[in-house]
Amino acid sequence: AQTVTQSQPEMSVQEAETVTLSCTYDTSESDYYLFWYKQPPSRQMILVIRQEAYKQQNATENRFSVNFQKAAKSFSLKISDSQLGDAAMYFCAYRSGDYGGSQGNLIFGKGTKLSVKP
Amino acid sequence: SAVISQKPSRDICQRGTSLTIQCQVDSQVTMMFWYRQQPGQSLTLIATANQGSEATYESGFVIDKFPISRPNLTFSTLTVSNMSPEDSSIYLCSVGGQPYEQYFGPGTRLTVT
Repeated sequence: AQTVTQSQPEMSVQEAETVTLSCTYDTSESDYYLFWYKQPPSRQMILVIRQEAYKQQNATENRFSVNFQKAAKSFSLKISDSQLGDAAMYFCAYRSGDYGGSQGNLIFGKGTKLSVKP
Repeated sequence: SAVISQKPSRDICQRGTSLTIQCQVDSQVTMMFWYRQQPGQSLTLIATANQGSEATYESGFVIDKFPISRPNLTFSTLTVSNMSPEDSSIYLCSVGGQPYEQYFGPGTRLTVT
């Protein structure tokens, strides 16, 4: 069975600084997808960024980027120029590539609570 | 991306009663997923709902406790039956999108007293 581990229950960053959230996963599959979701106090789950395992290039979305180390099974999220609105719970998630199209469910880590100091 | 709505957004219920949560999507989707998020915890998959067939439940979740309906490709309901305080959680529905992403509803915050 696949597992996702987030070893940092809480992190704090100064506004405008950079922070990195860690995520490791365990799988025997070669085809899979990794995601970072953000959950603000409103509890809405918002997709931040995704990475296909077959792609070597790290995904980037504006201020958010990942460091995907497939051999090490590591998938960290870097937030640059942190903003107050980035404060939220961040969940790392895994999805098997064995399911066709949009049918696979997600396996989540326990989350990291990010605080942003003004 | 899909737009998902859930009703109710929150509710306070007495133990022993049941609550049905509705999930509406603005486009047709093959599968819908129901997750539970207990206070301060991560999301755990309850079941996968495929239109026209019985829902598939994850280990630890049973149909008698969490019956699911999926009458069409845009709608699903999850019922939390015979509630106890341990059922107090946020319940989220989710649908798959392309490519390989999942979109979530705003969640239903349930408190059982």
